[in-house]
Amino acid sequence: NAGVTQTPKFQVLKTGQSMTLQCAQDMNHEYMSWYRQDPGMGLRLIHYSVGAGITDQGEVPNGYNVSRSTTEDFPLRLLSAAPSQTSVYFCASSYSWGQGNSPLHFGNGTRLTVT
Amino acid sequence: AQTVTQSQPEMSVQEAETVTLSCTYDTSENNYYLFWYKQPPSRQMILVIRQEAYKQQNATENRFSVNFQKAAKSFSLKISDSQLGDTAMYFCAFMTTDSWGKLQFGAGTQVVVTP
Repeated sequence: NAGVTQTPKFQVLKTGQSMTLQCAQDMNHEYMSWYRQDPGMGLRLIHYSVGAGITDQGEVPNGYNVSRSTTEDFPLRLLSAAPSQTSVYFCASSYSWGQGNSPLHFGNGTRLTVT
Repeated sequence: AQTVTQSQPEMSVQEAETVTLSCTYDTSENNYYLFWYKQPPSRQMILVIRQEAYKQQNATENRFSVNFQKAAKSFSLKISDSQLGDTAMYFCAFMTTDSWGKLQFGAGTQVVVTP
């Protein structure tokens, strides 16, 4: 069981470049989410999905796009990278509340540097 | 808005000693869960312990226990018999049953265990 898989582990971008952070889970979880971690600020929610075809914004959505075409995958897109997006990004997944109130399972993170 | 506050940026403890990390939260919801996550240098997010708000009994997991004071909105973590492997960043987090999958994190407390 792979759990939540994030790729790549590290990435360096130049300002204005675009890229997609990949996230896949093999636990048939309905809920998936993206967080960014910055020093002194904990993790903050970027975007969120409760199922295929359904996404919603979190606390810090600007500059990021998401889509959820399958239950397994939830990619995060940076259309025009900015230095302020330098951060560590985590993908997480869980069952819905009605399916046993499971806690979030996290991927191992992607460290992104924008120069 | 819901907030989670961890007022101790860093704490140091000797091996075999006990350390207590503080966490306070603010919410108007009644149905929620509280969590402590550990993040070692590997960057992995590891669930340490969780507490259901409707349960009066404090949760325990081996050397980890919590002191949950619902009226005071306080949720502290006690690490007993500290081990070198406990060195990590510890995050307090909060999630309501209505917004399951959307974790609200505190800023974190860095715990350093010294020989």
